[in-house]
Amino acid sequence: GAGVSQSPSNKVTEKGKDVELRCDPISGHTALYWYRQRLGQGLEFLIYFQGNSAPDKSGLPSDRFSAERTGESVSTLTIQRTQQEDSAVYLCASSWPAGGVGYEQYFGPGTRLTVT
Amino acid sequence: AQRVTQPEKLLSVFKGAPVELKCNYSYSGSPELFWYVQYSRQRLQLLLRHISRESIKGFTADLNKGETSFHLKKPFAQEEDSAMYYCALGGGADGLTFGKGTHLIIQP
Repeated sequence: GAGVSQSPSNKVTEKGKDVELRCDPISGHTALYWYRQRLGQGLEFLIYFQGNSAPDKSGLPSDRFSAERTGESVSTLTIQRTQQEDSAVYLCASSWPAGGVGYEQYFGPGTRLTVT
Repeated sequence: AQRVTQPEKLLSVFKGAPVELKCNYSYSGSPELFWYVQYSRQRLQLLLRHISRESIKGFTADLNKGETSFHLKKPFAQEEDSAMYYCALGGGADGLTFGKGTHLIIQP
């Protein structure tokens, strides 16, 4: 079946603009994760969604970042007033059945964000 | 705070030679550890996890709680093993904590 998909694959934006990144998880996966990977760094965990539960937003880098998920499907990560340090690859992953510790996470291809 | 350290950014070995990718972790509880791999132009994917105690593509990794290590090993490297390898810890509501990765290059 189809894997995790993300759009756009590449996004170039001017400093100060807002951007919205989209993730479509694998059907049936109740857990969804967002990560950020800056150049030369490992993946940095941002936020986790489990079903309809309210997410813990404490991992988001600043209040310019927000994320939503519609039920157990699509998620969007929004960055307001983008800064150059937001340039990174943003990865989405989903997991089944409940995303507990020890379960495999399936990653999307990522969105490469460049802020000029 | 939990942490994963991969000391080598780049590791180059010849085909047929043994490979060991190092991973050390810091975690107060009982760790759940993984190795993820990213081949050129492909997405990040799970290679193996310590709870499965399995060998994937000839790779194995043993959790050593005394040394807080989870090194990845393969006795005979193949050219198709060239990739970025990430050691990761945790999962669940706190997400995975990743190391910075090791770029493995297998020379012919």
